[in-house]
Order: sequence, then structure tokens, then C-alpha cells
Amino acid sequence: DAKTTQPPSMDCAEGRAANLPCNHSTISGNEYVYWYRQIHSQGPQYIIHGLKNNETNEMASLIITEDRKSSTLILPHATLRDTAVYYCIAGKGGNNRLAFGKGNQVVVIP
Amino acid sequence: GAVVSQHPSWVICKSGTSVKIECRSLDFQATTMFWYRQFPKQSLMLMATSNEGSKATYEQGVEKDKFLINHASLTLSTLTVTSAHPEDSSFYICSAAGSGEKLFFGSGTQLSVL
Repeated sequence: DAKTTQPPSMDCAEGRAANLPCNHSTISGNEYVYWYRQIHSQGPQYIIHGLKNNETNEMASLIITEDRKSSTLILPHATLRDTAVYYCIAGKGGNNRLAFGKGNQVVVIP
Repeated sequence: GAVVSQHPSWVICKSGTSVKIECRSLDFQATTMFWYRQFPKQSLMLMATSNEGSKATYEQGVEKDKFLINHASLTLSTLTVTSAHPEDSSFYICSAAGSGEKLFFGSGTQLSVL
């Protein structure tokens, strides 16, 4: 699996959009970009994933650069409940393993 | 969405005893499940890949005789921590692939070995 790089932590203002960056410069053509988040003492929660095109669902939007070397997860209106560790993962998915990096500790501030 | 159920949520046991953790895919069949462990303030570490009807594949450094994995059906995988010791205390998490590329996770099991 390609390695991903995220900032170790960031603060976001409640009610504002939160933009979470991720670099995955060695991603291969058949690897997806996945985003999960983990709230303390819980299992990771799936947020969104994409291959080439930008994706949007009820939780977030995923913007992938044209060269696929980086992506941004956008939480449109951050709430206090969005405080969590966010993991960006590059992997083939399905029955293939996903390897977690250190993640980005996001704190939403009132 | 797909649901992965994990039990128990937490368990406390004495050193030397064995503990079994169950992972079930509730509304889908999973030929492959994954087991992770997580120490405080650290990321998830993949322990093993569990394949239905065959032997599990363990990551380097994970003792297969200590962490027994059984995947006897398409909806159930179990992890047994044998002869548990305090250093085995950790948060154990299972996951399973639903349809498509998504991987869904259980809620985790906090194991404390006294």
C-alpha cells in the first residue's frame, strides 16, 4: 500500500468548513484513497473513498488532484462531534488489507 | 450500510487465561476479515488477515500460536488470545469488506489482563 502523509493535528472552527489534507505521492493506479475517522475508544468509521473523481456523500467531500498525488477531505460544516482522529489511507480495498498511518487529530473548537 | 458487530466490548481477565473475541458481519457475507490491535495514543496495527475456510495470514511479528484466528463461516471470525499476559492488554478491532471497496469496522474490544 502506498504511504500517506497527514499533519499530526489541526484545529477547526465550529460551523466552518474543515479541509484535511493528505499526500499520497506513490499511490498506484489501482489504489483508492480512503478516509476513516476514529473517535476515542471506538472502531474506525468509514467516511468516503475515491479513485480519480471527486466524491461527495452526506458526511463529506473528497477532492483528489488530477495527478492523484494528494487529496483533501472537506467537512462542510464542522461540529464538535467531528472531533476525532482522521485517517487517510491508500489501498486496493475490498478483500485487500488497509494499513493505517498515524492520522490527523482534528479538534473542532467552539 | 454494512454492520460489523464485535463482542465483547470490554473484557478483564487474569494472567494466563484465554479470551475469545467474536466478529460478525450482520447483513453481508465476508470471505475476508481483518484483525487489528491498537495501543493507547497509537494507530491501528494490522495483526492478521482471516480467510473463511482457510488459515489466517499473520503480519510479521505477530505470534500465530498466541493469537488464534478462526473464520469458520462467512459471517463470523474469532480471535482467541491464549495465555494472556498484561502486555496483551490492548484495544482489538475487527473489520470486514462489504460490497465494493469499502471496509467496515467493529466497535472494538478493550482487553485488560491483570
